[in-house]
Amino acid sequence: QVQLQESGPGLVKPSGTLALTCAVSGDSISSRNWWSWVRQAPGKGLEWIGEIYHSGSITYNPSLKSRVTMSVDTTKNQFSLKLTSVTAADTAVYYCARSMIAAGTFDYWGQGTLVTVSS
Amino acid sequence: DIVMTQTPLSSPVTLGQPASISCRSSQSLVHSDGNTYLSWLQQRPGQPPRLLIYKISNRFSGVPDRFSGSGAGTDFTLKINRVEAEDVGVYYCMQATQFPWTFGQGTKVEIK
Repeated sequence: QVQLQESGPGLVKPSGTLALTCAVSGDSISSRNWWSWVRQAPGKGLEWIGEIYHSGSITYNPSLKSRVTMSVDTTKNQFSLKLTSVTAADTAVYYCARSMIAAGTFDYWGQGTLVTVSS
Repeated sequence: DIVMTQTPLSSPVTLGQPASISCRSSQSLVHSDGNTYLSWLQQRPGQPPRLLIYKISNRFSGVPDRFSGSGAGTDFTLKINRVEAEDVGVYYCMQATQFPWTFGQGTKVEIK
């Protein structure tokens, strides 16, 4: 069974950097799948942040591209997200997810982690 | 960006009765490879989203057959044959035909 688990600080100061990691089990991060981050502001809908392949190929949502960095660590079977210059608008539950190859969607999701931007 | 518009935004349903959710995209979701990357996700209260349907009508593993998807081009529908209590939640359509991937605003299904 594929499992994903997000980890990282739950509180980030305005103008600071949000940093999260997603640990993957039950699948190799070097498999033929892409790995994504999706966020959900409180009471709101879903927003795709970006996706990464184990080779390092990345696609970001243009709305966040100037502030986002994603990376992958094949030795630890995990991938990461960094979001700089955060504001209250970045307060959200952040999910990591596996992009199902050739199906164009997310088949496995982490439980999500709430990140609050506040001083 | 492709805008995904769902209707209705709220759907009170009687247990055992059918429910239907519509999703319309601002442009065709037919990819150059011939596939249509339209999927449906369910989010139960306090839970992460869960994949129900991919490529318009393919049920994901373990999804009950009371869920079905249909449509083409820009118009898509999710149907729940007979709503059960466990179906309460918010349903999202999502497109992965063109970057950035985008979601509908969600439809809340609740029991009357």
